[in-house]
Amino acid sequence: GNSVTQMEGPVTLSEEAFLTINCTYTATGYPSLFWYVQYPGEGLQLLLKATKADDKGSNKGFEATYRKETTSFHLEKGSVQVSDSAVYFCALIEGGYQKVTFGTGTKLQVIP
Amino acid sequence: GAGVSQSPRYKVAKRGQDVALRCDPISGHVSLFWYQQALGQGPEFLTYFQNEAQLDKSGLPSDRFFAERPEGSVSTLKIQRTQQEDSAVYLCASSLAEVSSYEQYFGPGTRLTVT
Repeated sequence: GNSVTQMEGPVTLSEEAFLTINCTYTATGYPSLFWYVQYPGEGLQLLLKATKADDKGSNKGFEATYRKETTSFHLEKGSVQVSDSAVYFCALIEGGYQKVTFGTGTKLQVIP
Repeated sequence: GAGVSQSPRYKVAKRGQDVALRCDPISGHVSLFWYQQALGQGPEFLTYFQNEAQLDKSGLPSDRFFAERPEGSVSTLKIQRTQQEDSAVYLCASSLAEVSSYEQYFGPGTRLTVT
C-alpha cells in the first residue's frame, strides 16, 4: 500500500534560519503530493501541492519539488518566521483514489 | 465564506457508550471524507462519500463505526460501544468535486476521549 515517511520532530530553529523537512513516499502508481500545515488550535490547511514529476509547489515562501527518481518531496523555506511554528504533514493521493495518505507530521518551533 | 464545521468540538464518553459526530461541509461540495487522528500521528482515512453515496469505507476500523450522509450534505459518524482505543481527533474534510486533485478543506475536528 501507499505510505509517507517524514522526518521526526520537533524541529527547533531560530528566526530567519533555513528549513528543510524531509519526506519520502511509497506508491504503486503516480501520486499527487501535498504538504499540509496545522497551526496551533486550527484545522489542517493545504500549504502546497505538486501533481507530477519535477513539478515544484510553492506558497508563502515554502517550496517542494516532486522528485520521482528519489520518491521525495522535501519541504524548504529560506527564512523561517515565528509565525511558521506549526505541525507540517506530507501527504499523497494516488491516481483516481480520493483518500489522502498522511505522514506522521513534523512539529516546527521557531524561536525569536 | 463558511468553512467545514464539526460538532461537538470535544466529547467525553464512558466506555461502552454510543457517540455521534457531526460534519457540515462547505455548501456545494460533492465529496466528503472522515479521518481519524491519534495523538502524535497523521490523520488516517476512514471513509469517503460522493454526494450521498458511500464509495469507500475501507478505513473504518470495525463494524462499530458507521457513517452516513443521507441527503448529500451533512454527515454523521457514529461509533457504537466506544472503546478506549477510539480516543482520537476525528476530522472531516470536503472538496468541490470528485477529481482527486481538488483540494480537501478540513474542519477543526472533534476530540473524542473515552474513559
